[in-house]
Amino acid sequence: NAGVTQTPKFQVLKTGQSMTLQCAQDMNHEYMSWYRQDPGMGLRLIHYSVGAGITDQGEVPNGYNVSRSTTEDFPLRLLSAAPSQTSVYFCASSPRPGTSTYEQYFGPGTRLTVT
Amino acid sequence: GNSVTQMEGPVTLSEEAFLTINCTYTATGYPSLFWYVQYPGEGLQLLLKATKADDKGSNKGFEATYRKETTSFHLEKGSVQVSDSAVYFCALRGSSASKIIFGSGTRLSIRP
Repeated sequence: NAGVTQTPKFQVLKTGQSMTLQCAQDMNHEYMSWYRQDPGMGLRLIHYSVGAGITDQGEVPNGYNVSRSTTEDFPLRLLSAAPSQTSVYFCASSPRPGTSTYEQYFGPGTRLTVT
Repeated sequence: GNSVTQMEGPVTLSEEAFLTINCTYTATGYPSLFWYVQYPGEGLQLLLKATKADDKGSNKGFEATYRKETTSFHLEKGSVQVSDSAVYFCALRGSSASKIIFGSGTRLSIRP
């Protein structure tokens, strides 16, 4: 049982480049989320999904796109990278509310640097 | 809207000291409350949780009690170890919410 996996672990981009951060979970969780973590700012929600085909914006969605074509995968796309997107990105999944275990499970993170 | 406020760090203690990290919340209804821990270079792991008022979550010697009257969920440990050095996040999830709201995190350092 791999849990939540993220690739790549590290990435360096030049300003203006695009890339996709991959996230997959094998727990059949309906909910998935992307967060960014910056020093002194905790975790900020970028986008989230409550099921395949359904996504919504979090508190800092600008510059990022997501899609959810399957239950397992929730990729995060940076369309035109900017230095302000230098951060550590975490993907998380959880069962829907009302289930017995309610917490989020986190991936190991992707450290992104934009120069 | 829902929010979580936790004690600012960093917190530095000596080994075997008593630890308290304060967390208060604002939420409608009856949220579930969590403490997550992040060790250096890793993702967040669930440390403990409580899903209703007066519940006590506990794990690895850490405890937190869901206090609805004071809207608090303070994290405590009676005797900390160097291996407890990490960043601790308080979080809540509303009863029908799709999102978890995190506090800003408290960095804890334990001196041998």
